[in-house]
Amino acid sequence: DADVTQTPRNRITKTGKRIMLECSQTKGHDRMYWYRQDPGLGLRLIYYSFDVKDINKGEISDGYSVSRQAQAKFSLSLESAIPNQTALYFCATSRGNSYNEQFFGPGTRLTVL
Amino acid sequence: SQQGEEDPQALSIQEGENATMNCSYKTSINNLQWYRQNSGRGLVHLILIRSNEREKHSGRLRVTLDTSKKSSSLLITASRAADTASYFCATVLNYGNNRLAFGKGNQVVVIP
Repeated sequence: DADVTQTPRNRITKTGKRIMLECSQTKGHDRMYWYRQDPGLGLRLIYYSFDVKDINKGEISDGYSVSRQAQAKFSLSLESAIPNQTALYFCATSRGNSYNEQFFGPGTRLTVL
Repeated sequence: SQQGEEDPQALSIQEGENATMNCSYKTSINNLQWYRQNSGRGLVHLILIRSNEREKHSGRLRVTLDTSKKSSSLLITASRAADTASYFCATVLNYGNNRLAFGKGNQVVVIP
C-alpha cells in the first residue's frame, strides 16, 4: 500500500472551474506539502503545513488554497482554474525534524483547457 | 527561488558506465538531498548529506559535499537501464523553517 496517496491521478477541467486535489498519508508525519512541477522549472512549493493548525504559503500560492482536515489529509484547491495552472501536482510529507527528508505521492496531472 | 542548480542538465550513458551530476547552491545549508524521479512519477529520496559531512555512500550512489564551494556531486556507479530518470538536488537551509528548495533536475538516460 502506498504511504502517500493522491486523488485524482489525472484531471481535465475548464477555465473558471473550482478543482480540489486530495492527499492522504499513512506515514504518521506531521508535515505536509503541495508542489507543482512544470517542465524545465523543477518543483515549486505552493503551500505547506507543519500540523493541523498550521498553514503557510510557499513560493507560488496565488490562485490556490489549502485545507488540512486532519493530520493525515491535506487538500489543495484551485479556486478558479486557469490554463497556466496546467501542471503535475505533488503532495509530500516529512517528519518534524531539521533533516526534512520528504516522501512524495504519485502526483496528479491537471490540465486546464 | 530555486536553491539548487544541477549540472549537466541531460546525460546519456551506456549501461555499466558511471554517471556524475553536480549541484550548486547559494546559501548556508543544514543538509543537501538527492531525489530520483521516474518519468511522470513522484520523487523518491535517495540520499541525504549533512553540512558537516564530506562524502556519503549508499549502494551504488556516492555523494560528495563541498561547503566551501557550495557544491555537491552525485555519482552513480555501474549504471543500469533502470537508473534512467531525472535526478534532483534539494537543499535545506540553516535558517527559517527547514523547507526544501529543489533544483531543476538532471535527465539521465542509460542505454542498455
